[in-house]
Amino acid sequence: EAQVTQNPRYLITVTGKKLTVTCSQNMNHEYMSWYRQDPGLGLRQIYYSMNVEVTDKGDVPEGYKVSRKEKRNFPLILESPSPNQTSLYFCATQLGTGRAGELFFGEGSRLTVL
Amino acid sequence: GENVEQHPSTLSVQEGDSAVIKCTYSDSASNYFPWYKQELGKGPQLIIDIRSNVGEKKDQRIAVTLNKTAKHFSLHITETQPEDSAVYFCAASINTDKLIFGTGTRLQVFP
Repeated sequence: EAQVTQNPRYLITVTGKKLTVTCSQNMNHEYMSWYRQDPGLGLRQIYYSMNVEVTDKGDVPEGYKVSRKEKRNFPLILESPSPNQTSLYFCATQLGTGRAGELFFGEGSRLTVL
Repeated sequence: GENVEQHPSTLSVQEGDSAVIKCTYSDSASNYFPWYKQELGKGPQLIIDIRSNVGEKKDQRIAVTLNKTAKHFSLHITETQPEDSAVYFCAASINTDKLIFGTGTRLQVFP
């Protein structure tokens, strides 16, 4: 079954405590990205990756890092989380930019930073 | 850059009625317009999309229309059912690169 798996699904943490949200896909997709969803703001792209070892900033990258060492994994790293990073995060994959078009989303990771 | 506005933010309809959600975009070069449905506790899922060489596309009870001149596109759901209740997002992009999403519409269908 085609899947985008995020972990953890729910996390409460404190300001400054580094955390990683993992994302794994089994569809062999080249393109992976991270979004955050906030009320009234919709889905905003944080970072994206067109392929292994290729990453680039989206619209709201401040405070986040990513890496793409393997095709299937695209972790989101918050080195020093702050309360304004409290949000619902989604990992998404796409076969490849310029083709197909459909984004496949994970089920989301709800993060609360106290 | 591209900007997508979506209205209304909430929409309540009676089961069996129609629902319409509207989006406008700013970049006339945009040529790909998908709609995503997000059910409670889940990630968004593509339900229909349209490209700029087409004015309308239908899939059973769902249709999308595109007016390139006015730079707006709409989602139409006919004969709504309770399972249509969800948050709907429109989006726009050039050649499926870098989707820019609208702010979402929460649709509630009352039995």
